[in-house]
Amino acid sequence: AQSVTQLDSQVPVFEEAPVELRCNYSSSVSVYLFWYVQYPNQGLQLLLKYLSGSTLVKGINGFEAEFNKSQTSFHLRKPSVHISDTAEYFCAVRVRNAGKSTFGDGTTLTVKP
Amino acid sequence: DGGITQSPKYLFRKEGQNVTLSCEQNLNHDAMYWYRQDPGQGLRLIYYSQIVNDFQKGDIAEGYSVSREKKESFPLTVTSAQKNPTAFYLCASSPTSGSSTDTQYFGPGTRLTVL
Repeated sequence: AQSVTQLDSQVPVFEEAPVELRCNYSSSVSVYLFWYVQYPNQGLQLLLKYLSGSTLVKGINGFEAEFNKSQTSFHLRKPSVHISDTAEYFCAVRVRNAGKSTFGDGTTLTVKP
Repeated sequence: DGGITQSPKYLFRKEGQNVTLSCEQNLNHDAMYWYRQDPGQGLRLIYYSQIVNDFQKGDIAEGYSVSREKKESFPLTVTSAQKNPTAFYLCASSPTSGSSTDTQYFGPGTRLTVL
């Protein structure tokens, strides 16, 4: 079975500051890794994903994430956040060639002016 | 416009009534999923279907039922046996062949409130 732990439930940060949202996972088999963003009362939107290859992946809205196999981590970063980045962020893993995804509990990012 | 639609966006029901949530996709995806989201928690899988006329239970299937009679439709029924049905319900789909089999696409969600 797979599990995902998002280490911070809430991250407050000031506008234009850098941010890192942390995600650790466990799995006995190879997985794909994802970050999604959810704005209030909306569905999830894919930010970025890691399938294979380069461990640094870039996504939409200026976000990037780094896959670290030895630490089983997939932390999300942005060098300078905007008010509009305020949202819930979910890390997820999916076993290769399987249908289901496992999600973390989410991290609420609040960007203050 | 291709995508996933869920209706209605908000739904209110009395305790003890069954209710059906709609999910339709025109992405030609084979696989569809239902998740439940509660405050402060991640998404939990209720049911999923990899192909028409076939579906599997997820982690929290008790009190729910689904059908998959058409590729584009995957309705979820919340029955009176579900003890705490008030939640935000998300439908998703994904291809099972081609280059994007890894990615799930989500609908806008339905917020169900049982009074």
